[in-house]
Amino acid sequence: EDQVTQSPEALRLQEGESSSLNCSYTVSGLRGLFWYRQDPGKGPEFLFTLYSAGEEKEKERLKATLTKKESFLHITAPKPEDSATYLCAVQARTNAGKSTFGDGTTLTVKP
Amino acid sequence: DTGVSQDPRHKITKRGQNVTFRCDPISEHNRLYWYRQTLGQGPEFLTYFQNEAQLEKSRLLSDRFSAERPKGSFSTLEIQRTEQGDSAMYLCASSDRDFSRSNEQFFGPGTRLTVL
Repeated sequence: EDQVTQSPEALRLQEGESSSLNCSYTVSGLRGLFWYRQDPGKGPEFLFTLYSAGEEKEKERLKATLTKKESFLHITAPKPEDSATYLCAVQARTNAGKSTFGDGTTLTVKP
Repeated sequence: DTGVSQDPRHKITKRGQNVTFRCDPISEHNRLYWYRQTLGQGPEFLTYFQNEAQLEKSRLLSDRFSAERPKGSFSTLEIQRTEQGDSAMYLCASSDRDFSRSNEQFFGPGTRLTVL
């Protein structure tokens, strides 16, 4: 069974203090690993898709990387508006319909 | 607006009542998904459709839950004889089946269900 574990559960940063969020996964043949941002009371907002080990994607202050067992979401010089829950999900090659999500990391950035 | 929409946004019901939620996917997307999310947890897969065909249904989905997607457009999720444990956010997502692209799923705002 596919599994996704995210750490830490919660992360508090000062504005400008860079850090990383971790997503460890097990899946029988990775089709894609996805990062989402979720604000309170809203649906997840798509950020990145990663397909294979060594791949990296960037968007503004966010950079996602992928190895064979985990993915990292690096946040450089975060701002208060980056505060949200960040979710990681995987899809197996054999089942393109179902995404298995982790429980997320709740990031709080203090000004 | 070309995003995924869901209706209603909030639903409060009494235990034992039936409820129905609607999802309108992004118009060119032929895959539609339902997930359930409780506080502090990630979304849990419930079911998905490709066009009008329901291709997979989670073991989590009891006989009280049914989903339809007539004509491959909007979808409905019905919960019969609601229980307090059904209280959650019900999320709908859609994606494009074009395999030359990633299968990223785009989510709607969700329907928050509270069962009293």
